[in-house]
Amino acid sequence: AQSVAQPEDQVNVAEGNPLTVKCTYSVSGNPYLFWYVQYPNRGLQFLLKYITGDNLVKGSYGFEAEFNKSQTSFHLKKPSALVSDSALYFCAVRVPLADRGSTLGRLYFGRGTQLTVWP
Amino acid sequence: GAVVSQHPSWVICKSGTSVKIECRSLDFQATTMFWYRQFPKQSLMLMATSNEGSKATYEQGVEKDKFLINHASLTLSTLTVTSAHPEDSSFYICSASRTGAISGNTIYFGEGSWLTVV
Repeated sequence: AQSVAQPEDQVNVAEGNPLTVKCTYSVSGNPYLFWYVQYPNRGLQFLLKYITGDNLVKGSYGFEAEFNKSQTSFHLKKPSALVSDSALYFCAVRVPLADRGSTLGRLYFGRGTQLTVWP
Repeated sequence: GAVVSQHPSWVICKSGTSVKIECRSLDFQATTMFWYRQFPKQSLMLMATSNEGSKATYEQGVEKDKFLINHASLTLSTLTVTSAHPEDSSFYICSASRTGAISGNTIYFGEGSWLTVV
């Protein structure tokens, strides 16, 4: 079974400090991993994804994430947080194409982490 | 970039009536779209997978007669909440992936639709 865990419901950081939002996953086969951000009353915006290649993935708005296969993690990071980064962040894993019965595009989401950056 | 549009963004309806939410892929064709439901401050719950030209696949516990899904074209899927009740009030989000995409395609989400049943 595919699953994603975001162990922290809430992350609070001061503006200008580095931030990390944690994500671990469990998936059969090679994972395709995604991070999305959701602002209040809005849909999800794509931040970045890992499919293959370099373990460090750079995405939108200065965010990056590092794929760690041995730890089955895909933590989201940013060197210097902004107040405008305050939002709900979701980690997601996509079912590999090799899985029988998988549906292209089906995502499994973590429960979300509320990031608050204070001035 | 790819854009997925949902309409309406907000809808209020009376209990017992039906309401339709549209999901459109604006600059790509999507044979598959997904409908999610999200409760406040919670994660997304997949309701069903919408397949162009065929019946939708519903997740366990989701009433197919309650949540009617139609995917009549490669750019449009609709979710109709029939005989709505206050407990159906929620944030509904759709997503779509490109047709024929190689592995690693990005899934794009609509802006979501707030449904309030009074």
